[in-house]
Order: sequence, then structure tokens, then C-alpha cells
Amino acid sequence: QITLKESGPTLVKPTQTLTLTCSFSGFSLNTRGMGVAWIRQPPGKALEWLTVIYWNDDKRYRPSLKSRLTIARDTSENQVVLKMTNMDPVDTGTYYCALPGDLWSGHLDHWGQGTLVTVSS
Amino acid sequence: QSVLTQSPSASGTPGQRVTISCSGSSSNIGSNTVNWYQQLPRTAPKVLIYSNSQRPSGVPDRFSGSKSGTSASLAISGLQSEDEADYYCASWDDSLDGVVFGGGTKLTVL
Repeated sequence: QITLKESGPTLVKPTQTLTLTCSFSGFSLNTRGMGVAWIRQPPGKALEWLTVIYWNDDKRYRPSLKSRLTIARDTSENQVVLKMTNMDPVDTGTYYCALPGDLWSGHLDHWGQGTLVTVSS
Repeated sequence: QSVLTQSPSASGTPGQRVTISCSGSSSNIGSNTVNWYQQLPRTAPKVLIYSNSQRPSGVPDRFSGSKSGTSASLAISGLQSEDEADYYCASWDDSLDGVVFGGGTKLTVL
């Protein structure tokens, strides 16, 4: 059974760095073809893809946020960490991690429950 | 403003057939597969259709997907009250080198 779960702070101050962890089970990032993606959703708005990392450490970032995002994997701990610098109130939303069903595809097979992050002073 | 274009809303009565469309371009839908997600209120999205027309196990065959050129459609037949949700299309975009989503369609079952 594949599960993913996001964890991290629920409240972040403007200009701070957000660090979120995706803990997963049921698959390994050491396995060819596997990856973890991050997606966010501002309140009442649409889904926004942020980044993906694959088993071979290949990564892609949302172009408009590339300078602020870092994704990294910890294969021994079955975790993927997302860092987003210089947080702003517009970054408020629910952040999800997900398992891609295919390489370089919009197919996101399994999703975590999401974690709500609020950016406010 | 989303890269993929969806109508903001759709509606139908129980038993009806409803279609939700998704329009893109040659760099996304035109050259990659389309996926559809259902998001029930206050829950995480769930994949409904992948690779244009494939249904994951457990998804009723009332849901079907198709793609033509740079557009795709999700059809829901035999509409039920529990189908009331937000629906998103998604595809890989070769120019942006990432996943792009539609703006979502809110389906209301009257």
C-alpha cells in the first residue's frame, strides 16, 4: 500500500524559508522510474505544480518559482524535502506531495492528504 | 492564469451525461498525455483518468476521457450527487518542462 504524508510548519512569517517533508511508504526512491512531486493549492484556487524529483536525482522546477525552490531526497529515510525561500502571503495554501505514475507526465497516481501553510506576520 | 483552459463551471441533473473540456497547446496536450483529477470538498485530488483515457482500478466506468489534437474531454454519464466536485485536467508541458494544470471546473449536480 502506497502512502504519502506531508509535514511541516502551519504558520510561516514573510521572508522566512518554508521547509516541508514528504514521508512515504510502499515504494522506494531507489527504484528506477520512481519520483515524488509537490503541488500546492491556494485557498479557493486551482492546483499548481511546483517540482518533481526522480530516482536518479533528476529534478524539474516550476519556472516562475525556480529561484526559490529546492527539492531533495533522503532515500534512507523514505523522505523528500521541499524548501521554499522568501515566503510571501501569496504562498499561503495547501501543499501536497504525490507519486508520479509515469516519467515526465502529469499523471500523479497517489497523493498525500496535504498540509495547510499560512504565511502571515 | 492557468496554461490549460477549462470552463469554470458545469452542471447537470442526476442521470444526465456531462462533458468537461480542457484546451491546451502543442507543447502540452498536443504532444503529451492528459490526466484528470477529481477533488471532493476539503480532500486531496484523486486521479480519475490517466494517459488520456485509462481508468485506475476502482474508478467507475461512468467516467471516460478522450483527447483530440490540443484538446481533451472528460465525460461523466449517469450523473450522481456524489460526483459534485472540482475537476482538473493536467499534462506535461515540454516548453515549461513541468506539469501544467487547468483552472478547474466546478461540477454541480442539480
